[in-house]
Amino acid sequence: EPEVTQTPSHQVTQMGQEVILRCVPISNHLYFYWYRQILGQKVEFLVSFYNNEISEKSEIFDDQFSVERPDGSNFTLKIRSTKLEDSAMYFCASTRGLGEKLFFGSGTQLSVL
Amino acid sequence: GENVEQHPSTLSVQEGDSAVIKCTYSDSASNYFPWYKQELGKGPQLIIDIRSNVGEKKDQRIAVTLNKTAKHFSLHITETQPEDSAVYFCAAGSPGGYQKVTFGTGTKLQVIP
Repeated sequence: EPEVTQTPSHQVTQMGQEVILRCVPISNHLYFYWYRQILGQKVEFLVSFYNNEISEKSEIFDDQFSVERPDGSNFTLKIRSTKLEDSAMYFCASTRGLGEKLFFGSGTQLSVL
Repeated sequence: GENVEQHPSTLSVQEGDSAVIKCTYSDSASNYFPWYKQELGKGPQLIIDIRSNVGEKKDQRIAVTLNKTAKHFSLHITETQPEDSAVYFCAAGSPGGYQKVTFGTGTKLQVIP
């Protein structure tokens, strides 16, 4: 079965530093997402991306966050100035079309010190 | 916004017994209810989903039921096996809304051999 690939699997950074989390969605998928899961809490929606623009974002996705599809295969999440509370598991997801199966990657565990 | 509650948070069953996980949602406009299984070190994997025009759906040992009036839905796993041990998440969303889903808090299922 095709997979969504995320790198790195673990990222440790100092508070205030910028981080970029990388994802390679499934090749023929058109809709891309970032979710996050703080330890012991529920998986939360951050942002959806379609046709090279953000289609929806949550309250969590403030000005410190941005997403980009720099080429035909990668989808990135950037946090400009990390805070302690950004520590979480970040999941990338993609789907071919609305109403179709949503595939998740294995996640990047971000630790902000 | 949508709020999804999930119970129990942990569940232990003997191999061969049934397991039931229950969820409630708040937004009556939600019409898509997927269930995800998350194994250690992996992202959520869709195991079954149900849409609001259906009251029940079954796939081998897994079944989901939906009561739109009461705004609750359940996952039933019969003849449980040790490989069913994982964290299970329910979610609610609208397929037309770029497939953003709101997750429940998760249920850690342990199947005891």
